[in-house]
Amino acid sequence: KAGVTQTPRYLIKTRGQQVTLSCSPISGHRSVSWYQQTPGQGLQFLFEYFSETQRNKGNFPGRFSGRQFSNSRSEMNVSTLELGDSALYLCASSLRASGQNTGELFFGEGSRLTVL
Amino acid sequence: SQQGEEDPQALSIQEGENATMNCSYKTSINNLQWYRQNSGRGLVHLILIRSNEREKHSGRLRVTLDTSKKSSSLLITASRAADTASYFCATVGSGNTGKLIFGQGTTLQVKP
Repeated sequence: KAGVTQTPRYLIKTRGQQVTLSCSPISGHRSVSWYQQTPGQGLQFLFEYFSETQRNKGNFPGRFSGRQFSNSRSEMNVSTLELGDSALYLCASSLRASGQNTGELFFGEGSRLTVL
Repeated sequence: SQQGEEDPQALSIQEGENATMNCSYKTSINNLQWYRQNSGRGLVHLILIRSNEREKHSGRLRVTLDTSKKSSSLLITASRAADTASYFCATVGSGNTGKLIFGQGTTLQVKP
C-alpha cells in the first residue's frame, strides 16, 4: 500500500507570494492533518480534515487555509508569504473516523518551504 | 504552544547501550504516542499508550506512562547506529480534538 505522498518536496518562494501544497493520503484513510515544523516552534498543528470538512484548526492566521477533496486528497495554501513561514510542512493521514480519538498518524516526507 | 516537554534535548550513547527519553505534559490525555524522525524527513509512529495503560512494549522499545505525574518515558534497549534520530512524544487530549500536541523532541545519536 502506498504511503502518504506530498508534493512538491522542496520549493522556494519570495515574500508576498502564495503557495499550495498537496497531500495524497493512504488509500482508505479519510482523515488528513497538517503540521508545521520549525526549529523555533517545533511541530504545530495546522488543521484536520475529514470527509471534505475541516474538523479542527490550530492557532494560525487566516493566511493558512486548506481543503479536502472527495477522494480524500488535501491541499493547504499559504497566502502573502512571510519569512517566518519557512518550514517543513507535514501531512498525515489516519483511519480516525468521526467521533473517534486520534490514533496512529502516518506522515508524508513533507514539503520544505523556503521564503526569501 | 507545545504541551510536551522532553528531556534530555540531546543524548549521545554508544551502540549497545540503552537510551531513555522522558516526556512531560500538562493536561489530561486520551493517549500518548512516540514518533521518530530521521533528519528532517517525515515522522514514523513507534508506539501508542492509552491513558489507562502503565507500560507497553514493542520490540526493543518500552514505554511507560504515569498519568499522576503527567509523564512518560521511552526506553530503547541495545541501541544501534540506525536508531540515530529525533524522538518526539505527542499527546491526544481527552477532549477528542483530533490533533496531536508534540514535545520539542530528543535528538539521539548512537555512535558505532
